[in-house]
Amino acid sequence: QIQLVQSGTEVKKPGASVRVSCKTSGYTFTSYAMTWMRQAPGQGLEWLGLIRPYNGYTQYSQKLQDRVIMTTDTSTSTAYMELRGLRSDDTAVYYCASCSGYDCLKWDYFDSWGQGTLVTVSS
Amino acid sequence: QSVLTQVSSVSGTPGQRVTISCSGSNSNIGNNYIYWYQQVAGTAPKLLIYRNNQRPSGVPDRFSGSGSGTSASLAISGLRSEDEAVYHCAAWDDTLSGWVFGGGTELTVL
Repeated sequence: QIQLVQSGTEVKKPGASVRVSCKTSGYTFTSYAMTWMRQAPGQGLEWLGLIRPYNGYTQYSQKLQDRVIMTTDTSTSTAYMELRGLRSDDTAVYYCASCSGYDCLKWDYFDSWGQGTLVTVSS
Repeated sequence: QSVLTQVSSVSGTPGQRVTISCSGSNSNIGNNYIYWYQQVAGTAPKLLIYRNNQRPSGVPDRFSGSGSGTSASLAISGLRSEDEAVYHCAAWDDTLSGWVFGGGTELTVL
């Protein structure tokens, strides 16, 4: 079955960087885009961006495009999300989710999710 | 502040029918598909409805989606205790060139 397993809880200081990993199994990693979302405490979901593992194409949210980098390692079927210049309002649970298609655009959806990674930013 | 607007909470009794609304604009709901995700406390979201009104396999037909113009609704009939969750709406936004979500609606089964 399809599995997305994320790395563990992170505690970071303001200004630092964090990298969250998402190891996948059970499907052809390069055939489907990967997307990242986050959920701040008591808040709704926020889309961070997507990456197409086949060619490394990325598309980021306008809000975070200057601080986020998404990459993949096709040899291990793992996706990574790095967020730089952390601030207290980056404290959230971060999720990876595989898309139903190659593009992850308007006609696609997020059909398998990781378990979430809590990132806490505090001095 | 979420791009899509949802009421923060709704409630109902077992067996009742409830609806959860999601409001947007022509750049998102008015021109693109709406999706609904169910998030039980302490777990990751799960796809509930895709492309306005399609149910993935395994989702009961008690759940249905509809939309009109720049608004969409999720209806849950025959309410059950296991339906207690937060329901999120999502759509692609043509202006932002990205996915947008509502703030989530918490459903309580009394």
